[in-house]
Amino acid sequence: QKEVEQNSGPLSVPEGAIASLNCTYSDRGSQSFFWYRQYSGKSPELIMSIYSNGDKEDGRFTAQLNKASQYVSLLIRDSQPSDSATYLCAVNIGNFNKFYFGSGTKLNVKP
Amino acid sequence: GAVVSQHPSRVICKSGTSVKIECRSLDFQATTMFWYRQFPKQSLMLMATSNEGSKATYEQGVEKDKFLINHASLTLSTLTVTSAHPEDSSFYICSARGRANGKLFFGSGTQLSVL
Repeated sequence: QKEVEQNSGPLSVPEGAIASLNCTYSDRGSQSFFWYRQYSGKSPELIMSIYSNGDKEDGRFTAQLNKASQYVSLLIRDSQPSDSATYLCAVNIGNFNKFYFGSGTKLNVKP
Repeated sequence: GAVVSQHPSRVICKSGTSVKIECRSLDFQATTMFWYRQFPKQSLMLMATSNEGSKATYEQGVEKDKFLINHASLTLSTLTVTSAHPEDSSFYICSARGRANGKLFFGSGTQLSVL
C-alpha cells in the first residue's frame, strides 16, 4: 500500500464549477498535509497547507482534513481553465524530514 | 512563499560526462533539502534527503556514488550526476524545508538530457 494515494484522473469540470480532489494516506502519525499544483514541465507550487481537522479556506481554494478517516481533499471553487494542472497531495509523516507525495490528479477545466 | 533557486534549468550532455545541479534557498535557511526525480507523466520520486553539514540519506535503489549530494551551507545543496547515461535523462527537482513552518518549497527544476 502506498503511503499517499490519489486518483490519477483526469478529472474534467466545466469552467465555473467546483472541482473536488481527494487524497488518502496510510500513516495515522501523519502531521502535516499539503496540496501542490504542477503545470506540465514545471516544478510543483505550494497551494495549501493544513495541519488540523476541519476546513481551511484561501481564496477559491478550500482544504479539508479528516484524520479519523485519513483523507484530505482540495476544493476549487469557480474553476478556471488556468487551474488545469496536476494536483499533488503531500503528507509529512512522523517528522519534518519525510514527505510523501501522491501520484497526482490531473484536472482539466473546460471553457 | 519562500524562494528556491535551481540552476541550470536545462542541460544537454554527452554520455559519460558529469553534470552538477545547484539548489539555493534565497530568503530562508534550509536545514534540509530534498532531491527528486520525475519522469514524464509520473509523480515525484524522492532520491535523497540532504541535511546541512552531514551526509545525505539516499532512498532505496538510488546509487549514492552516482548521484553525489553536497549540502555545505544552510542555503546551498548540489547534486552531481556522475558518468551520466541516457537512462539518467529526467526532470530533477530540488526542494527545501524552512526551519519555521516545515513547508516544502521547490526549485524550478532541471531537465537533463543525456545523448
